[in-house]
Amino acid sequence: GAVVSQHPSRVICKSGTSVKIECRSLDFQATTMFWYRQFPKQSLMLMATSNEGSKATYEQGVEKDKFLINHASLTLSTLTVTSAHPEDSSFYICSAAWGGPGNTGELFFGEGSRLTVL
Amino acid sequence: TQLLEQSPQFLSIQEGENLTVYCNSSSVFSSLQWYRQEPGEGPVLLVTVVTGGEVKKLKRLTFQFGDARKDSSLHITAAQPGDTGLYLCAGERNRDDKIIFGKGTRLHILP
Repeated sequence: GAVVSQHPSRVICKSGTSVKIECRSLDFQATTMFWYRQFPKQSLMLMATSNEGSKATYEQGVEKDKFLINHASLTLSTLTVTSAHPEDSSFYICSAAWGGPGNTGELFFGEGSRLTVL
Repeated sequence: TQLLEQSPQFLSIQEGENLTVYCNSSSVFSSLQWYRQEPGEGPVLLVTVVTGGEVKKLKRLTFQFGDARKDSSLHITAAQPGDTGLYLCAGERNRDDKIIFGKGTRLHILP
């Protein structure tokens, strides 16, 4: 299957700093990538849809100025948590949709990034 | 309103037992996927079903898509501790629609 890589897998930062998480599709071009947040023992919560070359589409309740998403190329999307606070501590996961022939909506997920804000 | 209802939410059974997890909706889906997620990792795609009534097997896992494409089930035969994890169903109602996730079933297999 397709490979999506996320980096860093774990990050600890001080309150008030900004953290950038990268999501790369390694063996296919992803025109659309998705960013999720996952709280302990819960399902994925979609934060935003990242489209290559255009502005991200944010879900209701997600602050776009807080969670900056950039999709500069067909293989890279980044999520920057700005002025992080302890309540932003969470597991962040990206996914990419393979839009090739026969595409039936499967998503390929990164390994996730655990953010801890002190 | 949860568009994809998964049940049960939690399931803890002994190794060797069989189990079924359900994913139900009142909406028709063009495709449904099942993912398994282990703690601290991203979900991994298990299977995609697209045709009403479709049955797919993956070793001891059997996936079924309802005839009306509104529901799906995952049946595990002779569960193993390695089957432990969060099982998520997800689907899209129309091509290029946002993919919707269920809340997941947390499965724990006791050795």
